[in-house]
Amino acid sequence: EVQLVESGGGLLQPGGSLRLSCVGSGFTFSGYWTHWVRQAPGKGLVWVSRIDNDGSSTTYADSVKGRFTISRDNAKSTLYLQMNSLRAEDTAVYYCARSWEGAFDLWGQGTVVTVSS
Amino acid sequence: EIVLTQSPGTLSLSLGERATLSCRTSQSVTNNFLAWYQQKPDQAPRLLIYAISRRATGISDRFSGSGSGTDFTLTISSLEPEDFAVYYCQQYGGSPSRFIFGPGTKVDV
Repeated sequence: EVQLVESGGGLLQPGGSLRLSCVGSGFTFSGYWTHWVRQAPGKGLVWVSRIDNDGSSTTYADSVKGRFTISRDNAKSTLYLQMNSLRAEDTAVYYCARSWEGAFDLWGQGTVVTVSS
Repeated sequence: EIVLTQSPGTLSLSLGERATLSCRTSQSVTNNFLAWYQQKPDQAPRLLIYAISRRATGISDRFSGSGSGTDFTLTISSLEPEDFAVYYCQQYGGSPSRFIFGPGTKVDV
């Protein structure tokens, strides 16, 4: 089955750090750009970051630049998001997704990150 | 910075009716990088349309996309019960290139 499965979410205090993981299966993981997209409670979708096929190029939304780092391990078919200096406004469901032709054609089920004191 | 605007915010319709959802972008779409997604409560989004008008795998032909430049439309020809959801448009582009979502249109009864 073609799928993405996220893990690593949790509850933490402002200023804390967390690393999310996303494992792909059923397809050639290294053949795609992969992304993190988040959705705050009751809000819309917000693209967070992308990494190209071999990890040589990354891009970030301004809201997370300098605090979040995206990376990948193609040998393990795994995407990561290292999140530092977390803020309450980072509270969201975090989805990993792959893209093709400028669109997100496969999504994971999401992992919940809650930042609260 | 690219900004996407969707209208209306909420569309109240009945089963069998036609739904017309609008997406306007602040910068012209290049390479046809304009997509539409459906999201139901507590579910991940699902790709419906990519490259402005191409249906994703397994998507019913009730769904169609059209438009050019900065104005785009998602049409649901005849609403089925499973179509009541939130719909997002999304563009890839700009300089530096970014992936941007619109705020969404809720289609409800």
